[in-house]
This record gives sequence, structure tokens and C-alpha cells, in this order.
Amino acid sequence: GAGVSQSPRYKVAKRGQDVALRCDPISGHVSLFWYQQALGQGPEFLTYFQNEAQLDKSGLPSDRFFAERPEGSVSTLKIQRTQQEDSAVYLCASSSTGAVNEKLFFGSGTQLSVL
Amino acid sequence: DAKTTQPNSMESNEEEPVHLPCNHSTISGTDYIHWYRQLPSQGPEYVIHGLTSNVNNRMASLAIAEDRKSSTLILHRATLRDAAVYYCILRDAIISNFGNEKLTFGTGTRLTIIP
Repeated sequence: GAGVSQSPRYKVAKRGQDVALRCDPISGHVSLFWYQQALGQGPEFLTYFQNEAQLDKSGLPSDRFFAERPEGSVSTLKIQRTQQEDSAVYLCASSSTGAVNEKLFFGSGTQLSVL
Repeated sequence: DAKTTQPNSMESNEEEPVHLPCNHSTISGTDYIHWYRQLPSQGPEYVIHGLTSNVNNRMASLAIAEDRKSSTLILHRATLRDAAVYYCILRDAIISNFGNEKLTFGTGTRLTIIP
């Protein structure tokens, strides 16, 4: 497909489990963003990659959250020892170069429910 | 990033024009005004952006006040598919071209279209 693809679409985890969420950006897009969206709220920034370099991780809520993009394409957001407050939709977005005023293209997200 | 203020919700009749307001009284001279929308169960999608002049594209029009302290997104003929949360976001053009280009979302305006 031509868009940003995220998997799985839904994930249910027991509290304390580790989860891994995958993002396939649009082919060739240099910039990649992860966002967290709680129910009824706007998306909150988590982290940003330029190719394989993680340039900003200021939004990661704790050291249980870890993101990587080792080859500058696919990215994985990992959450260790999940807690109920981690339940949210996790959105991935990409843009061509990250230049000012470039559109961000979002995936449909992964809905994480922690029981 | 400078803050924006939007009404929490609005309603409009189908096939009528819709005017979605956004206040950004602390906007700086280098802030661009961006609009994204989020349909149910989807990630946000780009709608339009502008700096000083009014802008038109196939989806919408953006009217920017002369003092730039407010703007209005105009949907010329709303359809049921336009029901979404609309986000008005400021992006600072001062950030270097390969710096952090994250979008900072607020809570947006939930637009309901009445058949």
C-alpha cells in the first residue's frame, strides 16, 4: 500500500507484559514520528526519527518506553512491563524529509488495551 | 509552540458551509497555521496550511485574519464524511529544516454533520 501501515491494529496485554508495536512508513520517507492518543484527547508526541537517528525522545513518558528504527525505515515502539495507564492508541506518522511545513502522513494506529 | 484555542464541538447541516474558528493570539511572525482532521478510528490527515494569505485546496479554504491572531477553516459544502475532529496547529518555520518538526495537537473541534 501507499500509506503508513501499523500493526497490530489491536493489542490486548496483561499488566506487566512487554509489547512491540510496528510502523511501516511510506517508502523513502526520512522522518518518522510516534504519538500516543488517550480516549477523547488529541495525539501527544512521543518521539521522532530522522532516518535511523532518534533526534527527539522528549515525549516518552518513562524508561519503559523504547523506540528504534535501525535501518531508517520500519520502526518499533516497545513498552516494557505495561501498566493500565499505557492503554491508548499509538499512532505513527512519516514525512518525506521533515522540512518545515511538510505534511505528516499518519497510520490508523494500534489500539493497546492493558488489563 | 504557540497555543491555539478552538471550540470543543460544532454542528452543521449536511450540504451547508461550515466555518471552524481558531484563535492564536500569541502567534509569532514565523508560525504557519496548519489544519489536520481525524475521522473516527483513523489517524489524523492533513487538510490545509497557510502563513498570511488565504489558501484554497480541493478539501477546504483557510481564511487568515489580517493580524493573524485568528483563522477559520471553511468547508464549502459539508458531507457526512466530513464528520471528524478538526485540529488547528501552529508550526514554527524557524526550526531548522532537519530539526524536530513534530506537530503539537490540542483537543480540537468535534464536528457533527446533521443529515
